[in-house]
Amino acid sequence: QSVLTQPPSASGTPGQRVTISCSGSSSNIGRNTVNWYQQLPGMAPKLLIYTNDQRPSGVPDRFTGSKSGTSASLAISGLQSEDEADYYCEAWDDSLKGPVFGGGTRLTVL
Amino acid sequence: EVQLLESGGGSVQRGGSLRLSCAASGFTFSSHAMSWVRQAPGKGPEWVSGISISGDNTKYADSLKGRFTISRDNSKNTLYLQMNSLRAEDTAVYFCAKDPVEKPTNPVFTGTGIFDYWGQGTLVIVSS
Repeated sequence: QSVLTQPPSASGTPGQRVTISCSGSSSNIGRNTVNWYQQLPGMAPKLLIYTNDQRPSGVPDRFTGSKSGTSASLAISGLQSEDEADYYCEAWDDSLKGPVFGGGTRLTVL
Repeated sequence: EVQLLESGGGSVQRGGSLRLSCAASGFTFSSHAMSWVRQAPGKGPEWVSGISISGDNTKYADSLKGRFTISRDNSKNTLYLQMNSLRAEDTAVYFCAKDPVEKPTNPVFTGTGIFDYWGQGTLVIVSS
């Protein structure tokens, strides 16, 4: 059971916009910033969004992050086949005194 | 180019020990806090441990109950994880991960919780 809650799956067609949610609590998302990682099949996770809405160099602006209260969202616009991957949210948890992750959302591009 | 290369994984019996290594290159290793993150099959990642730039300060997930020890050798640009009393639930791919903050001013800083680069991982299988 992951500390952060994500829907197990999401899907969309090429060109569509999809949103992935991440729900936490006052000890993690409610007090700290959220990061998102993309994990392609058989690969290591890759930082996609940090500090709620910042993109590392090289990440397309099709990926946007947001946070409100104890929840966060990752939006992917102009969906492409190469976006098919697992997506994980992550935030620092003040009670556990360490970073915690969501269980992941598998995105399928139909 | 930042590269992190883990090694040392393998199959071990319950109660056994393993030492993982992570060789770093492409950045000033001694200027960044580092972490180990594991991922059990079909599960989300789980942070295991973090270490300060000097190695003097470490932090662990509560679930480990003192069985793991993180360390680093800045002269060799290498991060380590000593794992003892291994259990079936420790079966996972273990990744080393880099913190983006360079030369943190707080000497006890063990990481922001942002992992900007990850290694390819090394698989640990604990059998009973």
